[in-house]
Amino acid sequence: GENVEQHPSTLSVQEGDSAVIKCTYSDSASNYFPWYKQELGKGPQLIIDIRSNVGEKKDQRIAVTLNKTAKHFSLHITETQPEDSAVYFCAASKGGGADGLTFGKGTHLIIQP
Amino acid sequence: ETGVTQTPRHLVMGMTNKKSLKCEQHLGHNAMYWYKQSAKKPLELMFVYSLEERVENNSVPSRFSPECPNSSHLFLHLHTLQPEDSALYLCASSQQERTGELFFGEGSRLTVL
Repeated sequence: GENVEQHPSTLSVQEGDSAVIKCTYSDSASNYFPWYKQELGKGPQLIIDIRSNVGEKKDQRIAVTLNKTAKHFSLHITETQPEDSAVYFCAASKGGGADGLTFGKGTHLIIQP
Repeated sequence: ETGVTQTPRHLVMGMTNKKSLKCEQHLGHNAMYWYKQSAKKPLELMFVYSLEERVENNSVPSRFSPECPNSSHLFLHLHTLQPEDSALYLCASSQQERTGELFFGEGSRLTVL
């Protein structure tokens, strides 16, 4: 089955700096790659996703890049703010949807004031 | 407010107790999920219901018993649990054949003594 590795497990950055979280996947048939953000005491919430027919997608301060050849994808957050502090999960699936998602272990992002 | 409500938010039970977790979604979705979230581990998919039929059961021990009486409600019945079952149990819903986004509830924090 699919295996998703996520790094780093903890990332601390100064407010205003950029943060990058990386994930690799094992199944070359995977074609859908969402990122979820989980704030303390809440459930995960989708913040951005990318499908295998594109290499990059942006939404304001967040962006995701996908390298199908190397089987890795990354989340980029620019101009970090205190409200970006949370745990971020990457995931991958073959069906293009919510079913069959395999999640990474998560990255705890800490924004230092 | 994600449109997915879970009760109770916290539950402490002994190994011989029987309890149930409840999930209700107000989004008109046709699929519902139970996930287990343990510290430093990826989100683990337990059960999937699509159109009120169970379509996935990921080798979950029989001490966990799901029930989906209609497309808006999902239960997880618990009996003779073990301390290692202590975790955050997350319910999610999605509208299949659409974007693939999972909408999570805030979770039920279970402690087994």
